[in-house]
Amino acid sequence: QTVVTQEPSLTVSPGGTVTLTCASSTGAVTSGYYPSWVQQKPGQAPRTLIFGTSNKHSWTPARFSGSLLGGKPALTLSGVQPEDEAEYFCLLYYGGSYVFGTGTKVTVL
Amino acid sequence: QVLLVESGGGVVQPGTSLRLSCAASGFTFNSYAMHWVRQAPGKGLEWVAVMSSDGSKEYYADSVKGRVTISRDSSKNTLYLQMNSLRPDDTAVYSCAKQGAVYGDFDHWGHGTLVTVSS
Repeated sequence: QTVVTQEPSLTVSPGGTVTLTCASSTGAVTSGYYPSWVQQKPGQAPRTLIFGTSNKHSWTPARFSGSLLGGKPALTLSGVQPEDEAEYFCLLYYGGSYVFGTGTKVTVL
Repeated sequence: QVLLVESGGGVVQPGTSLRLSCAASGFTFNSYAMHWVRQAPGKGLEWVAVMSSDGSKEYYADSVKGRVTISRDSSKNTLYLQMNSLRPDDTAVYSCAKQGAVYGDFDHWGHGTLVTVSS
């Protein structure tokens, strides 16, 4: 069974920068896994911020960016705002099926 | 605008069946793959199943394979999830999501319907 692991929690100061990553139990992740990043706030439906490694939706704030770092998908938040406090899940494509990461709770303090 | 509205959840006993529906509007339903995702109380997101835009392909998470069937009715713009042999660990909010043009791009999500499996 494939497991995708993320940092359980990260704390960042307002205006700061934080990078989240996810690791696949199958090994290095490439763009062919089409990594995406999903934000979920309490009581709200999830929304996808980044897809296809680094592509943004119209609703994605410019301070969010996606990349691959050392075989891991990464989500970087630059100039963090209080409203960025949420849980973030990566999502990887495994040739038909998908697996969500374990999630990272980002606290803005 | 795109709207996805799930229904069909409820409290059911272990071993029974349930069919969830996801009514879609605001886009050309038969042009996009559609997914089911679930979230157990206090837990993370778990991908459940996907059906291709034309209904020819379907894939399932190992945790539900053999017990769950995804289907779609383009005449009704509706996605379904038939769940059989329900177990307590199937208790979750089940949401449907529309896939965009790229794999993994779940560009619109519903708010979900709660399924509780309990005796």
